[in-house]
Amino acid sequence: KAGVTQTPRYLIKTRGQQVTLSCSPISGHRSVSWYQQTPGQGLQFLFEYFSETQRNKGNFPGRFSGRQFSNSRSEMNVSTLELGDSALYLCASSLKGTGGSGANVLTFGAGSRLTVL
Amino acid sequence: AQSVTQLDSQVPVFEEAPVELRCNYSSSVSVYLFWYVQYPNQGLQLLLKYLSGSTLVKGINGFEAEFNKSQTSFHLRKPSVHISDTAEYFCAALTTDSWGKFQFGAGTQVVVTP
Repeated sequence: KAGVTQTPRYLIKTRGQQVTLSCSPISGHRSVSWYQQTPGQGLQFLFEYFSETQRNKGNFPGRFSGRQFSNSRSEMNVSTLELGDSALYLCASSLKGTGGSGANVLTFGAGSRLTVL
Repeated sequence: AQSVTQLDSQVPVFEEAPVELRCNYSSSVSVYLFWYVQYPNQGLQLLLKYLSGSTLVKGINGFEAEFNKSQTSFHLRKPSVHISDTAEYFCAALTTDSWGKFQFGAGTQVVVTP
């Protein structure tokens, strides 16, 4: 079956612009998580959505937002881009979300590499 | 709060030699532990996971890891590496009271040379 699909794979923006990244999870997966990966900070959790509801959020400013649609597809948006937002943004999906009484494995997409000039 | 520490940022190893990547975690609640691998310009791929049960976990590509609760460790091993194992490896933890928030270690870059 198809994996997690992220679009676009690469993009270049300038400071002050905004960007929207898209993630299509594996069919049947209802949970989508987003992570930011940078050489200096490593992998940092942005947020997690399940059935269109944000269940958890990392320590990022309000410029970072996301949403999930009824078909489980998710988007994340970054407004007023800063140079430090340059990163690989990874989306991951799982069947019913992680945590609770059992863990569900995250399957990652290939990422969207954002460069801010 | 939970944290994951990968003790080596880079591990050089010769082809067909064994390798061990060290991972320690801290958490006040029960955790699930994972190892992921990342090849250049790709996302993360699951190698193996510990959820419960046997503390020795076998994964893909000949990797295995051992969960040690008393030492709060989850070290990854492979008895004989290949050139294709050159990649970055991440240890990750998920607490039982968390939703979707994996805590990742800083990563260990494995470089396999002939």
